[in-house]
Parts: sequence; C-alpha cells; structure tokens
Amino acid sequence: DTAVSQTPKYLVTQMGNDKSIKCEQNLGHDTMYWYKQDSKKFLKIMFSYNNKELIINETVPNRFSPKSPDKAHLNLHINSLELGDSAVYFCASSGSTEAFFGQGTRLTVV
Amino acid sequence: DAKTTQPNSMESNEEEPVHLPCNHSTISGTDYIHWYRQLPSQGPEYVIHGLTSNVNNRMASLAIAEDRKSSTLILHRATLRDAAVYYCILIFASGGSYIPTFGRGTSLIVHP
Repeated sequence: DTAVSQTPKYLVTQMGNDKSIKCEQNLGHDTMYWYKQDSKKFLKIMFSYNNKELIINETVPNRFSPKSPDKAHLNLHINSLELGDSAVYFCASSGSTEAFFGQGTRLTVV
Repeated sequence: DAKTTQPNSMESNEEEPVHLPCNHSTISGTDYIHWYRQLPSQGPEYVIHGLTSNVNNRMASLAIAEDRKSSTLILHRATLRDAAVYYCILIFASGGSYIPTFGRGTSLIVHP
C-alpha cells in the first residue's frame, strides 16, 4: 500500500481555471503538508496541518486553499490558476521523526 | 530551523564509498540532524537522522562531529540508483510538529 498518495499525477490546465489536488495518507499521522517545487528544484513548504488544524501558512497567494476533511486527507484547491503556478506539488505526512512524501503532482498551466 | 551548508554537487564512481558533508555551525542543542534524498521524478525520502552519536541503518551511516557543527552522510557503496539530491536538514526536537525545511541540497552524480 502506498503510504502517501496524491492524485492526479499530472495536471494540465488553462489559466484562470480552478483545480484541486487530493492527498491521502494511511500512516495514521497527525501532521500533513503541502510543498511546492519550482523549475529550479527548490522545495518550499506551503502549508502544514496538525490534526486537521492549520499550523503553518507560508507566504502563499490566497488563491491556494488547503482543506482537511479528516486527519488522513489534505487536499489543495487552487483558484484562478496563473502561469507561475506551474510546478510540482508534493504532499507529505509525518510522525515524530520522519516525513513521508507522495510522488508529486506536476501542474502545468498553459 | 538553523541553516545548513552543503556543496552543490559531488561525483562518485559506482561501488565506491561516498561522503556527503554538511556544515551546521549554528546548530542548537535540541536540533536533530536529518538527511533526506530526492531521486529523479520522485518525492523526497527519509534517509537517516541523529542527535550526537553516529548512526547506521540499511541505507547509510551518519557521522556527527563531536561539536555537532558538521556531519557527514556516508553511502558505503554507491550504486547508480543513489544518484539523487541529498538534503541535510536540522529539525527542532520538541513535542510539536516535525517540519522539514529544505535547502538546495547536494546533487550526487554516480558514474558507472
């Protein structure tokens, strides 16, 4: 079983559209995150949730909104997509000593 | 989290040992040293972590300097599959959330 799974793996969409990326973890972790990796490969944390509550919200446009319906899920909704949103988005979850990452969603905005 | 400094890239030959250095001169007493790696087109994966003593696991060894201001990740026999970006990260050991903050890492190139 995949520990952290995110869907879709690839997402191509037009500017101005609204899209969502789903993430699920089966590890029983309390903490989940979203990271963005840009074209220069820099991996930057966007959000962190602990027990369904937002604990970190880095400087991210408010077009990005995380939603945690339960501890096992942290979805990322993006409104009014822009060209600069093109990147690979990684979901992750962690216990106390180790984080597990999903395989990433490559978002391309055209 | 305190900052770490790593070389941008390193090269190795297959089946030779690799020593990946990391400097963390501003490390605090409660910071754990963690290493992650990111293989091409994959998410980062945990490699190893330690506080003061050297650590070994099935993937690698972690050698920590006595003053804790530097550490070295050791891959005992590099394989082509070990070609990845390796990240050295300091994480505050508290009862709160574990939040990896990534720098640029070291890109390891393994030659056949």
